[in-house]
Amino acid sequence: DADVTQTPRNRITKTGKRIMLECSQTKGHDRMYWYRQDPGLGLRLIYYSFDVKDINKGEISDGYSVSRQAQAKFSLSLESAIPNQTALYFCATRGQGQNTEAFFGQGTRLTVV
Amino acid sequence: GDSVTQMEGPVTLSEEAFLTINCTYTATGYPSLFWYVQYPGEGLQLLLKATKADDKGSNKGFEATYRKETTSFHLEKGSVQVSDSAVYFCAANSNSGYALNFGKGTSLLVTP
Repeated sequence: DADVTQTPRNRITKTGKRIMLECSQTKGHDRMYWYRQDPGLGLRLIYYSFDVKDINKGEISDGYSVSRQAQAKFSLSLESAIPNQTALYFCATRGQGQNTEAFFGQGTRLTVV
Repeated sequence: GDSVTQMEGPVTLSEEAFLTINCTYTATGYPSLFWYVQYPGEGLQLLLKATKADDKGSNKGFEATYRKETTSFHLEKGSVQVSDSAVYFCAANSNSGYALNFGKGTSLLVTP
């Protein structure tokens, strides 16, 4: 089984709809992240969480919200999807310390029409 | 603020050619540095890392040396293979230490 699992892998939704992307991890790490990948822009941080009670905004949090339901689960919501939120979304988890690597899910390709 | 800059792609090389992908960073202090690789249709996976100045990270024939004088972490491989075709991301710890800042990615295509 993968260390980080994202569902769904692909999703097409209409403008104005609410959508949730889910992420679960089996690494036992406290830190979890949501990134967005766009061509030519690389990965940009949306939200991150250090534990169930600690949620922090990243550089592009507008239009998104998150929920940390448990240590292993971190979901990303788009309350009212818009076309420029069409992107590839990645969840990641990381152990303690600054030298640790991040483990990524396989991504969710979201298209807003 | 802290950031990572890497060379623009796409890079196209013939098999067995030498590869260099440049990466520089701006940060307070000396952040840990990473190279990640993304194969088509997959998530990012760690390729190598270096945690302090002059460290050399290496894996699968790839190498990168942490150069604090030039704030650089260039990725090199002496002889690329078709299977190395992927997108490569340079990353550095943010100043806060909590997250990773990524470069924009460099697409590499290796032709037979």
